[in-house]
Amino acid sequence: AQSVAQPEDQVNVAEGNPLTVKCTYSVSGNPYLFWYVQYPNRGLQFLLKYITGDNLVKGSYGFEAEFNKSQTSFHLKKPSALVSDSALYFCAVRGRDTGFQKLVFGTGTRLLVSP
Amino acid sequence: DAGVTQSPTHLIKTRGQQVTLRCSPKSGHDTVSWYQQALGQGPQFIFQYYEEEERQRGNFPDRFSGHQFPNYSSELNVNALLLGDSALYLCASSLGTSGRRVGYEQYFGPGTRLTVT
Repeated sequence: AQSVAQPEDQVNVAEGNPLTVKCTYSVSGNPYLFWYVQYPNRGLQFLLKYITGDNLVKGSYGFEAEFNKSQTSFHLKKPSALVSDSALYFCAVRGRDTGFQKLVFGTGTRLLVSP
Repeated sequence: DAGVTQSPTHLIKTRGQQVTLRCSPKSGHDTVSWYQQALGQGPQFIFQYYEEEERQRGNFPDRFSGHQFPNYSSELNVNALLLGDSALYLCASSLGTSGRRVGYEQYFGPGTRLTVT
């Protein structure tokens, strides 16, 4: 069975500082990994994905994520946080052993960037 | 280029009633997935439609059913509503699973907020 853990309910960071939102996963075989962001009363917005290749993936709005197979992690990072980055962030995984596209999400991490 | 659209935006129903939610996928997409997001939780997979057939289903009872039309749009139907069905229902679209197209991200609509009283 696939699962995702986001160990932090909330991450607080000052504007201009680097941010990290943690994600670990469990899946049979190699994973597809995704990060989504959700603003209040909105749907999920795609940020980035890891499919194969370079372990450092770059995405929208200056976000990037590092895939670490040995630690089964896919942490989201940004070198310099903005107040507008404050939102709810979800990590998601799906296995490669099926052609179907069910995503399994974590419980989400609320990012709060203070001015 | 229109993204994923959902209707209605909000809906209030009474226990025992039935509800139909609608979704139009992003232009060029042929696969629609439905997710339920309860308050404070991550989205939970309900089912996925491709080529007008249900291809995969999550751990939801038969009260939850769906349909995909030839134009790729989709409906989610929930019968005999329970208070616990109150949630944000998200539709996501993507390219189909033809073997060569796995790994594509899903694009989500704004959701339908269902309240069951």
